[in-house]
Amino acid sequence: GAGVSQSPRYKVAKRGQDVALRCDPISGHVSLFWYQQALGQGPEFLTYFQNEAQLDKSGLPSDRFFAERPEGSVSTLKIQRTQQEDSAVYLCASSLVYQETVNYGYTFGSGTRLTVV
Amino acid sequence: AQSVSQHNHHVILSEAASLELGCNYSYGGTVNLFWYVQYPGQHLQLLLKYFSGDPLVKGIKGFEAEFIKSKFSFNLRKPSVQWSDTAEYFCAVRREYGNKLVFGAGTILRVKS
Repeated sequence: GAGVSQSPRYKVAKRGQDVALRCDPISGHVSLFWYQQALGQGPEFLTYFQNEAQLDKSGLPSDRFFAERPEGSVSTLKIQRTQQEDSAVYLCASSLVYQETVNYGYTFGSGTRLTVV
Repeated sequence: AQSVSQHNHHVILSEAASLELGCNYSYGGTVNLFWYVQYPGQHLQLLLKYFSGDPLVKGIKGFEAEFIKSKFSFNLRKPSVQWSDTAEYFCAVRREYGNKLVFGAGTILRVKS
């Protein structure tokens, strides 16, 4: 597609419920990132994939958060036993190359707004 | 660890006023610097970026930013704002050859027509 697609656009989960958020990057994009954006804050890095390899997961806040990209395209961010502090917008971004160069950039999706009640 | 500080969380300007949004970062090594914009209801879009060379970078829609290494700053400017510039603006830094962006908390700009 023309851009990075994320689904669902909105998700309301009861505390303790598991959720799965999907990201469809731009076709052929090698790099994929997940960010978490709490209300009134800037996006914070969660994890990074290069193709199917998860090269950096240092930003995942707890072991309840898990991300995968098994075939190097679509990625899923899973949050187990959701808690209220998980409420945020989850952004996905993809990039054509391993590292953003002068000629390429990250393309962000519109995000999934997760509300835990 | 890197961090980014944006000086103002809310800015209100009248059309045709000049804009300067402050951004300071903390990191001792070489960095790449970015400004992103998020218009209401839309996704983050890149305004401009600095990798190396001329510290005055020009971006889309008449925006520019100046990298001042000695001040660890990358302030965003526009000589004359328009109502359509109403948006949230994020400064971000990435260490050279790194992968993840570190964002500031954002500045919400409202331009009154």
